[in-house]
Amino acid sequence: NAGVTQTPKFQVLKTGQSMTLQCAQDMNHEYMSWYRQDPGMGLRLIHYSVGAGITDQGEVPNGYNVSRSTTEDFPLRLLSAAPSQTSVYFCASIDTGTDKMNTEAFFGQGTRLTVV
Amino acid sequence: DAKTTQPPSMDCAEGRAANLPCNHSTISGNEYVYWYRQIHSQGPQYIIHGLKNNETNEMASLIITEDRKSSTLILPHATLRDTAVYYCIVRIYNQGGKLIFGQGTELSVKP
Repeated sequence: NAGVTQTPKFQVLKTGQSMTLQCAQDMNHEYMSWYRQDPGMGLRLIHYSVGAGITDQGEVPNGYNVSRSTTEDFPLRLLSAAPSQTSVYFCASIDTGTDKMNTEAFFGQGTRLTVV
Repeated sequence: DAKTTQPPSMDCAEGRAANLPCNHSTISGNEYVYWYRQIHSQGPQYIIHGLKNNETNEMASLIITEDRKSSTLILPHATLRDTAVYYCIVRIYNQGGKLIFGQGTELSVKP
């Protein structure tokens, strides 16, 4: 199993450009989420999804859109990039089937985004 | 949301036990305590979790107080590769996989 795969690993954008960060998992996990991490800070939750077709906002959702058309994929879209969105982005998935609370989260290796 | 409090930084001598404390005084009876670590801005790595009883695996031990208001992660023989930021997280029962990270403890293992 590949686990959680994020692409790209690095990206530089100009202010106002749009892009999509990809996240895919092959573990059939229902729950997926996106975090951002700024220098010297902990991870902050952007958006999450409890299953295909269902998404919700986390702590810092402004400037980001998500969708969940399949169980495997959970892309994060920046519609108009701003320098404040310069950060490292992590995707995570967890097996929450049958209301499981006893399962670990798997994280991708991150996408390092710079907006100039 | 049940919040956690951790010291911002700790030092440990190589080969000694590292004891990382965490306070979670508002934890509910059915919420788990999870520990993750992050090395050099890589993706967080799962270490261990527990509900009420003490837990041990190949990486660490987790000691949870009887009132469940605090816990301690123990790395029994710390190595230089254990230098990382350690996060203590309470997993919220009615919110599935939602994990809210705090600032964590930056552990420095020194030779």
